[in-house]
Amino acid sequence: SAVISQKPSRDICQRGTSLTIQCQVDSQVTMMFWYRQQPGQSLTLIATANQGSEATYESGFVIDKFPISRPNLTFSTLTVSNMSPEDSSIYLCSVGGYRGTDTQYFGPGTRLTVL
Amino acid sequence: GQQLNQSPQSMFIQEGEDVSMNCTSSSIFNTWLWYKQDPGEGPVLLIALYKAGELTSNGRLTAQFGITRKDSFLNISASIPSDVGIYFCAGQPKLYYTDKLIFGTGTRLQVFP
Repeated sequence: SAVISQKPSRDICQRGTSLTIQCQVDSQVTMMFWYRQQPGQSLTLIATANQGSEATYESGFVIDKFPISRPNLTFSTLTVSNMSPEDSSIYLCSVGGYRGTDTQYFGPGTRLTVL
Repeated sequence: GQQLNQSPQSMFIQEGEDVSMNCTSSSIFNTWLWYKQDPGEGPVLLIALYKAGELTSNGRLTAQFGITRKDSFLNISASIPSDVGIYFCAGQPKLYYTDKLIFGTGTRLQVFP
């Protein structure tokens, strides 16, 4: 399966600050996605990271709060802006089209706590 | 956002027992996936199903893509302690990896020796 790394693995941040999370995969992929997993909950898609164009956001998520970059086919970043305690979650990236496979693989996640 | 109904919510079983869990939706999916998540980790893919009626095995795990395309089932036979974790179903309205995943609510499995 895909080898996906995320940085940082965890962080504790102050209210009002921003954090940028990086996702790196070991081979070029067609699709990259960002999900949020709130404490004790399931995963919810934030947005699809598009290479060379603006990300596609799901209902309830906006670019000003969660700006996303995807400069190439192996790397993406998600920024959580102007954080509040409600943003405390695990943020996960996933990739699709890894080496011709038909499914999505997930990174290890970034555990964010906002005080 | 939209979620799939997954049951049971949690299970407490003894080692060696078989486990069954299922996932239902009000809408049709063209792909069903089953993931397992260990504490502090991202979900790991267990089984992928691409065709209605398909029955697929991966070791002690067996999953089925429901004929109606609105449900899926996962069975674990002869459970062992390392089966502990949270199991998620996920559906894709469209085919293959280009589409987003809609996740189930999860089944938390505990296995006692």
